[in-house]
Amino acid sequence: DIQLTQSPSTLSASVGDRVTITCRASQNVDNWLAWYQQKPGKAPKLLIYRATDLESGVPSRFSGSGSGTEITLTISSLQPDDFATYYCQQYKSSPWTFGQGTKVEIK
Amino acid sequence: QVQLVESGGGVVQPGRSLRLSCAVSGFSFSNYGMHWVRQAPGKGLEWVAVIWYDGSKKDYGDSVKGRVTISRDNAKNTLYLQMNRLRVEDTAVYYCAREKERWLPIFDSWGKGTLVAVSS
Repeated sequence: DIQLTQSPSTLSASVGDRVTITCRASQNVDNWLAWYQQKPGKAPKLLIYRATDLESGVPSRFSGSGSGTEITLTISSLQPDDFATYYCQQYKSSPWTFGQGTKVEIK
Repeated sequence: QVQLVESGGGVVQPGRSLRLSCAVSGFSFSNYGMHWVRQAPGKGLEWVAVIWYDGSKKDYGDSVKGRVTISRDNAKNTLYLQMNRLRVEDTAVYYCAREKERWLPIFDSWGKGTLVAVSS
C-alpha cells in the first residue's frame, strides 16, 4: 500500500498568510494525487486533482504542485473560510489512501 | 443538484451485521463508479470500497476485506454496504462518494455520512 505523510500536522496561520502543505508518498504516485478540504461535521470537498488541476468552483488562491513522491498544496492568501483540515489522497494504485490530515488553525 | 443521502447507521454490538444505504439523485447513477469512505471519530479518512458503474467490479480496503460487500441497484439509484462481523474499530462515519469520472477514484460529491458505532 502507498503511505502518504502530510506535513505539518497542524499549522497556525493568519488571514492573508501564504500557506503550504506537503504530502510525501512512500512510492512514486506520479501526479495521481488529489487534495480535499474538510470542515468539522462536514463531508470532505475536492479541491485539486491530478496534483495541479483545480476543481470547478474552487478559488484560484488554491494551487497544487509537484509530482512523484512530494506534492504540495498552497493557499496563496489564507481567507477566514479556509480554516479547516486538508487531506491528500493518492489514486496511483489501490487501495486508495489518504494522508493523515493537516489542520489549519487561526493564529 | 447532485445529492447523496446515507442511511442505516446506528449502534450495533461487535460481531453483528449492518447494511448501509446511499440514495442518490441529480445525476445519472448508472454512469458512475461509487465508493464508501469512512472516518473514525477524530481521525482521518479511510477508503473502504468501490463498485464500478455497472457493478461488474468491486474492490475493498484491507481492513474490511472479507467482512464487507458493496453493491448497487441502478434501477433504484441506490448504493449499499453490507457490513458483517463488525468490530469496535469499524466505528466511524461512513460516507458514500461519487467518482469524478468513470474509473477515476477521486471523489467530487459526498453524502453527509451515517454514523456506525460498534459497542457492547
